[in-house]
Amino acid sequence: DSGVTQTPKHLITATGQRVTLRCSPRSGDLSVYWYQQSLDQGLQFLIQYYNGEERAKGNILERFSAQQFPDLHSELNLSSLELGDSALYFCASSVGGTSNNEQFFGPGTRLTVL
Amino acid sequence: QQQVKQSPQSLIVQKGGISIINCAYENTAFDYFPWYQQFPGKGPALLIAIRPDVSEKKEGRFTISFNKSAKQFSLHIMDSQPGDSATYFCAAIASGTYKYIFGTGTRLKVLA
Repeated sequence: DSGVTQTPKHLITATGQRVTLRCSPRSGDLSVYWYQQSLDQGLQFLIQYYNGEERAKGNILERFSAQQFPDLHSELNLSSLELGDSALYFCASSVGGTSNNEQFFGPGTRLTVL
Repeated sequence: QQQVKQSPQSLIVQKGGISIINCAYENTAFDYFPWYQQFPGKGPALLIAIRPDVSEKKEGRFTISFNKSAKQFSLHIMDSQPGDSATYFCAAIASGTYKYIFGTGTRLKVLA
């Protein structure tokens, strides 16, 4: 168990809808990262927050947004969902904000868009 | 230029054998190269990592070999065990620009 928690575990929704995925980092970790894992594209880095501020942006679509709250938990919002958004979404956390900090991954949220 | 090419896609090895997974990159800005292990239903977990100032790093049965001039790095699993059966991802990170690029993964199966 990495100490990173993600809810919900599974999510099934319809195209056009909006969902929110939640992540609680390990105790003491200030950075949160979001990744998308699909069968054909592997792990894609979406976005990183450090202590409430956006630190880095990857291949995150404009329909997706994220934030990190004062208690350091993070939410990833996915809107106008498309079939292609079906994937596993992982959150990871690390102590520091530099890119070579070890990242600890949560168990993921499996999103299915019908 | 941002890609990390990982091969093979899948690998079957006999118990006690050596498993070798290769990755290649193009962007010379990458300066940190971790390998992750992922079991079904779990998130990836850091296995071992290397910086380009060393050519090899060993931790137990796991070794990373790094060839800076060829822009290639590989994971060697010695004395492979059935418990090593998992998906392995290489990654390349550019510290200055916070770029995190992952390979597409190698599904390893170690036969008992």
